[in-house]
Amino acid sequence: SQQGEEDPQALSIQEGENATMNCSYKTSINNLQWYRQNSGRGLVHLILIRSNEREKHSGRLRVTLDTSKKSSSLLITASRAADTASYFCATTDSWGKLQFGAGTQVVVTP
Amino acid sequence: EAGVTQFPSHSVIEKGQTVTLRCDPISGHDNLYWYRRVMGKEIKFLLHFVKESKQDESGMPNNRFLAERTGGTYSTLKVQPAELEDSGVYFCASSQESGDSYNEQFFGPGTRLTVL
Repeated sequence: SQQGEEDPQALSIQEGENATMNCSYKTSINNLQWYRQNSGRGLVHLILIRSNEREKHSGRLRVTLDTSKKSSSLLITASRAADTASYFCATTDSWGKLQFGAGTQVVVTP
Repeated sequence: EAGVTQFPSHSVIEKGQTVTLRCDPISGHDNLYWYRRVMGKEIKFLLHFVKESKQDESGMPNNRFLAERTGGTYSTLKVQPAELEDSGVYFCASSQESGDSYNEQFFGPGTRLTVL
């Protein structure tokens, strides 16, 4: 069974708008990560948030973590066409094994 | 410095044939992971090497899949015989160390496998 589950499954927005996606997980974590996959390309690590952190920023990305609800959110502000991709949250076990959610497909139209 | 590379980028084979995927991790990375994404579904862990040893192969679907990492450098993932449900994108990732401290995994571009 998957550790992270994202919603929505798909998101279509226009350039300049913000995109928000959520992730829920089942077990205790040390950290949670977000990845992006552009069509036909590999996974790119976006941001990591540790279990003792509540919010983290990186450029136009903002991630929150609520360990009491076992959930995280990723916000992309001022979206661009180049942000079109699939976004995945993932948790890590002590050996580094990543457990991914199903992903959110984001389409940003000019 | 070269990143994680995978070969081939795309493979189309018929059911029953054999395919071997290759992953070259970043030099010096002891940890090597294989994942796959079947069409429209989540990315699933297959197995984890620490150097040449299999640390965790709990995600391998069945005995048609064989992974090796001779000498602790590059790794191969062989599917024999391939079935239709094996179609998907196979990702490889590497990292320096594992354990409680976080070490970023660097992903390759993936191999898209299509079984007809």
